[in-house]
Amino acid sequence: DQQVKQNSPSLSVQEGRISILNCDYTNSMFDYFLWYKKYPAEGPTFLISISSIKDKNEDGRFTVFLNKSAKHLSLHIVPSQPGDSAVYFCAASAQGQNFVFGPGTRLSVLP
Amino acid sequence: DTEVTQTPKHLVMGMTNKKSLKCEQHMGHRAMYWYKQKAKKPPELMFVYSYEKLSINESVPSRFSPECPNSSLLNLHLHALQPEDSALYLCASSQVKRANTGELFFGEGSRLTVL
Repeated sequence: DQQVKQNSPSLSVQEGRISILNCDYTNSMFDYFLWYKKYPAEGPTFLISISSIKDKNEDGRFTVFLNKSAKHLSLHIVPSQPGDSAVYFCAASAQGQNFVFGPGTRLSVLP
Repeated sequence: DTEVTQTPKHLVMGMTNKKSLKCEQHMGHRAMYWYKQKAKKPPELMFVYSYEKLSINESVPSRFSPECPNSSLLNLHLHALQPEDSALYLCASSQVKRANTGELFFGEGSRLTVL
């Protein structure tokens, strides 16, 4: 049973618009959540994180929202740029170790 | 230096070969990880070393043998692999402290093909 789920395998967005990537989790022990971006033939790159004591974290064009009661988090990218086209993995951990990754969502930002 | 360096980038081996994957980081991270990633799948945790001691082994077959000779190096020794072990092997490191940001720094991976 997947502990971290990303139910949309792919997403296409027009350049300049908002991209919203969703992630759901089942393990209530998770206390730290991260988003990674992965280009082909490269390792994942850390993008943004959020602790369970917060409900929002913002870094430039990227904002992550956490809804603990719904066990749901989302990544907002605004405005979206063609260079944002990549696979985005949601990951979760309990006490900073043993990160569990979701299956990923492939984002395509169309010029 | 914020890099995790993995060598080799590509490795082709037969089922009877013995080979090793190497990983190095100089960020002072005391947690290091091996992940396996098959095509179009998320990275799957194999091993975690914390302070140079194996802390997590996710039921990985014994044909994969990790080694952490010091705080900067992590090896994965391979022996008698199967073709289904062909994958991208990712090394990562992070700080161990609970209160830290906890993000993983990944290397580019070693793409392994077992014939």
